Amino acid sequence: NAGVTQTPKFQVLKTGQSMTLQCAQDMNHNSMYWYRQDPGMGLRLIYYSASEGTTDKGEVPNGYNVSRLNKREFSLRLESAAPSQTSVYFCASSDRDSIYEQYFGPGTRLTVT
Amino acid sequence: ELKVEQNPLFLSMQEGKNYTIYCNYSTTSDRLYWYRQDPGKSLESLFVLLSNGAVKQEGRLMASLDTKARLSTLHITAAVHDLSATYFCAVVPGYALNFGKGTSLLVTP
Repeated sequence: NAGVTQTPKFQVLKTGQSMTLQCAQDMNHNSMYWYRQDPGMGLRLIYYSASEGTTDKGEVPNGYNVSRLNKREFSLRLESAAPSQTSVYFCASSDRDSIYEQYFGPGTRLTVT
Repeated sequence: ELKVEQNPLFLSMQEGKNYTIYCNYSTTSDRLYWYRQDPGKSLESLFVLLSNGAVKQEGRLMASLDTKARLSTLHITAAVHDLSATYFCAVVPGYALNFGKGTSLLVTP
């Protein structure tokens, strides 16, 4: 039981490049989330998916797109990376059975130069 | 706009001392979560508080929730170095967590 996994762990991009961050969970959770963490800002929600087939914007969605590929997988895409997207990205999942307690992946450290 | 405010944001305390971290939030939420984050690591769930008056304890940490005052506290008893970390509270007005900015705790000898 791996919980929530994310790939890659580290990534350096140049401005304008694109990439996709991958997230998968093996807890059969319905809901999945993408957050970014910046120093002094706590965690801010980018997008979430309440259930397979649905996605919704969070607090800071600009510059990102998401895909809920199936119940297990939720990917985050940066189409044209900008230095302001330098951050640590966390994926999380939750479910009603776990009182919506969110379980977090190990994070992806992204630097855009 | 939902606000989740933690204070203090930085806390340096001596081993053996007691202290309380406060979490105030500005909207109705029927549950509140506390997480711990070690440097360079992910977030680890500490407590889930589900109702007014809820109190949970784990080791030297005790969390409580007052939904009427929209206030949660995380009390540290007889601090030890291993408790050094950043602590976040979060509320759920909708689907997703809204986090405070975190309290960075450093426990010194």
